[in-house]
Amino acid sequence: EPEVTQTPSHQVTQMGQEVILRCVPISNHLYFYWYRQILGQKVEFLVSFYNNEISEKSEIFDDQFSVERPDGSNFTLKIRSTKLEDSAMYFCASSRPFDYEQYFGPGTRLTVT
Amino acid sequence: AQSVTQLGSHVSVSEGALVLLRCNYSSSVPPYLFWYVQYPNQGLQLLLKYTTGATLVKGINGFEAEFKKSETSFHLTKPSAHMSDAAEYFCAMMDSSYKLIFGSGTRLLVRP
Repeated sequence: EPEVTQTPSHQVTQMGQEVILRCVPISNHLYFYWYRQILGQKVEFLVSFYNNEISEKSEIFDDQFSVERPDGSNFTLKIRSTKLEDSAMYFCASSRPFDYEQYFGPGTRLTVT
Repeated sequence: AQSVTQLGSHVSVSEGALVLLRCNYSSSVPPYLFWYVQYPNQGLQLLLKYTTGATLVKGINGFEAEFKKSETSFHLTKPSAHMSDAAEYFCAMMDSSYKLIFGSGTRLLVRP
């Protein structure tokens, strides 16, 4: 069964460094999402992406964040200058057109020290 | 504003007992509702969803949920808990822009 994959599973970085989190969505899906979960808190929406552009972004998704689909298979989340409060589990999700189900990847745990 | 509330951050049941995980939502439009499960070190897996039609929806692993508009609830149940059901369960609602709004999650513990 096709699944969403994410790499790395765990990333440790120092404050101020750039990180790129990678996701490979399911191949025939056209809608892509990033969510995050700070330890002990709710899963929160960050951004949705369709047709090579951002559809919607939350207030969390400030200028330090960007998303890209560089090669038609990967979907990346970049944090330009990480802060301690960016430490969280980041989930990628994808969905088919006209389907309400979002398929989630296993997540990347980002630790900023 | 749309929101999802899960009552009880932890629920503990004995193996074979009824599982009831509570979820209430707030929405000014008919909601699309979901339950996801997260096993340790894994992603979120869809258990079941309600979009339109029958208000009692059946999902995987013997779980079901009933949409009750009058109570703004979408509680998750399973008649008989199994040890393998121990996980974190998230209730979520889809808003008009197709993003998911999650509750804070309920960790289900199953005692032998």
